[in-house]
Amino acid sequence: DTEVTQTPKHLVMGMTNKKSLKCEQHMGHRAMYWYKQKAKKPPELMFVYSYEKLSINESVPSRFSPECPNSSLLNLHLHALQPEDSALYLCASSPSQVNTEAFFGQGTRLTVV
Amino acid sequence: AQTVTQSQPEMSVQEAETVTLSCTYDTSESNYYLFWYKQPPSRQMILVIRQEAYKQQNATENRFSVNFQKAAKSFSLKISDSQLGDTAMYFCAFMNSGAGSYQLTFGKGTKLSVIP
Repeated sequence: DTEVTQTPKHLVMGMTNKKSLKCEQHMGHRAMYWYKQKAKKPPELMFVYSYEKLSINESVPSRFSPECPNSSLLNLHLHALQPEDSALYLCASSPSQVNTEAFFGQGTRLTVV
Repeated sequence: AQTVTQSQPEMSVQEAETVTLSCTYDTSESNYYLFWYKQPPSRQMILVIRQEAYKQQNATENRFSVNFQKAAKSFSLKISDSQLGDTAMYFCAFMNSGAGSYQLTFGKGTKLSVIP
C-alpha cells in the first residue's frame, strides 16, 4: 500500500462552519505534512508532524488547527474560514522528517462561501 | 533562503518526441536534494525523479532523465518518447539535506501538454 488517502475530495463550507479534512497512510511513515495549493501555484507548506508531534507551523492562522491522533492519521480542523482560504489542500507523508520520498494524496478541493 | 525558478510557464510536445523542462535554483548549501514532481489533472503530486547533490551522475527513471549542473545550479528534466499521460504540471523542487529539513521549495511549475 503506497497510498495517501484524503477525504473528502471536495468540500464546500460557509464561513461560520466547522469542518475537518482527513488524511490517512498505512506505509509506516513517521512524518506527515499539510500543504495548501492555490490555482496555478505551487504547494505551500503549512504544517509538519514528525513522530506525531507538531514540528513546524509555517505561520498558519489559528482558524486552521492540525491534529495527529496516531501515526497513520492526520486531520486538519477548519473553523471560521475566509473565502481566500479556498484552495486545494494536500496531505503528504514520508518515512522520516527528511522527506526525500514524500508521497502525496489527491487533495481536498475546499471552497469557502 | 533557497529559490527555485522555472522559466517556462507552458510547453507542448508532439507525442513520441523529446522535451526538456528547465529549472534553476539558488542556494548557499552544499548538500541538498532536487526533485521533479508531476501533477496531472487528477491533482496528486507524483515524484518523477530525485537527485542528490553530492552525486555527479545524472539520475534516470525510464523515459525521464535529468541534466544536473551543480556549478551552474541547473536541474533540467528530459522526457523521451513523450506520451499523452505525461500531460501535467511539472514542479521542480529543492530540499536542504541538513538536520530538521522538512520543507520542499517548489518552483512555479511548467504546464506540459503532449499533443497527439
